[in-house]
Amino acid sequence: QLQLQESGPGVVRPAEPLSLSCSVSGASISSSNYAWAWFRQPPGKGPEWVATIYNSGRTNYNPSLNSRVTISVDTSKNQFSLNLNSVTAADTAIYYCARRRLAGTCFDFWGQGALVTVSP
Amino acid sequence: DIVMTQSPLSLPVTPGEPASISCRSSQSLLHSNGHNYVDWYLQKPGQSPHLLIYLTSNRASGVPDRFSGSGSGTDFTLKISRVEAEDVGVYYCMQGLQPPYTFGQGTRLEIK
Repeated sequence: QLQLQESGPGVVRPAEPLSLSCSVSGASISSSNYAWAWFRQPPGKGPEWVATIYNSGRTNYNPSLNSRVTISVDTSKNQFSLNLNSVTAADTAIYYCARRRLAGTCFDFWGQGALVTVSP
Repeated sequence: DIVMTQSPLSLPVTPGEPASISCRSSQSLLHSNGHNYVDWYLQKPGQSPHLLIYLTSNRASGVPDRFSGSGSGTDFTLKISRVEAEDVGVYYCMQGLQPPYTFGQGTRLEIK
């Protein structure tokens, strides 16, 4: 059974970097049938797509995050990660990792989410 | 960015009655392969979003057949034929045609 589990620091100070990981179990992160993505959802708001990484290594990022964000994969650990630099209070959100199924081009499985609060 | 606009934003429904949510995009979501790249997600209280419908009208695995999606171009609809108590939550449409993938504002379905 597929499981995606986010892990992160919980609280990050302003201007510091944020690093999140998503551990994948029940599927190989190297599969060419899927890509892997991050979303975030600020309190009381809707979801926002952040980034996607494909098996080829190709990445897509939300331009709203400018050049602050990087997504990467560690196949040896079957996990992928998100790094976000220079965080501000606006980055406070629940961060979700998700699988993008290429056949159907949909995000068919999501993790439970990890709350990240940016606070001094 | 493609803007997705949903209506209504709040939807009170009596159990057993039908419900309909509209989603309009700021540009056509029709891909050259003939598919319209709209998905529908439901976020139940305290949970992560989960996929209901992909490519406009395809139900995801395990989704009851009382859910259906339709539309083309810029106008899309999610219909629930008979609402049940377990359907409460916020429904989002999302365009998957081009990054940045964008969501509608969400429609909160509540039981009367």
